[in-house]
Amino acid sequence: GAVVSQHPSRVICKSGTSVKIECRSLDFQATTMFWYRQFPKQSLMLMATSNEGSKATYEQGVEKDKFLINHASLTLSTLTVTSAHPEDSSFYICSARGTSGHYEQYFGPGTRLTVT
Amino acid sequence: GQSLEQPSEVTAVEGAIVQINCTYQTSGFYGLSWYQQHDGGAPTFLSYNALDGLEETGRFSSFLSRSDSYGYLLLQELQMKDSASYFCAVRSSTGFQKLVFGTGTRLLVSP
Repeated sequence: GAVVSQHPSRVICKSGTSVKIECRSLDFQATTMFWYRQFPKQSLMLMATSNEGSKATYEQGVEKDKFLINHASLTLSTLTVTSAHPEDSSFYICSARGTSGHYEQYFGPGTRLTVT
Repeated sequence: GQSLEQPSEVTAVEGAIVQINCTYQTSGFYGLSWYQQHDGGAPTFLSYNALDGLEETGRFSSFLSRSDSYGYLLLQELQMKDSASYFCAVRSSTGFQKLVFGTGTRLLVSP
């Protein structure tokens, strides 16, 4: 099956610093990648959708200058949390969809971000 | 906009059958999916309904009624390992056909 990886799996950073999270599709090409955020005991909230080679589309209420998304290739998307604050502490999950016309989304294992 | 409502928590005993409901309101609809998520893990795909009716996959079945904007996940012969959160999700027919998740149901299976 299709595999999506994320790196790092856990990261702790100090308030005010920036953190980059990578999402890779390992055995397929992903034209579209999705970034979700999940707070404890809550649902997955879609933050943005990125297509390879174009600007990301952000959901309402998500600050695009704070959550920078780059989808530079068909196998890699990155999410950078800039000037992180404790309220940004969350579980960030990426999801990728292939090029075959099939609309199944494959999820990465998630990244636990803790901002101190 | 889109909203998907689920019960927050369901409890059951091993071997029992449990049904998790999902009602949705969407601006476009392209199918209802169900995902399982264990604490600290990623969501894993369980089933997908594009058309009305029941889809069966082993111990899990999923039902959809598009006219009622309603679906459910049925879990049979419950096992302890089924304790997890379950999410329904709608694939929007607009934009990038993004997957929007429901509020989630935490299932607790006891011995």
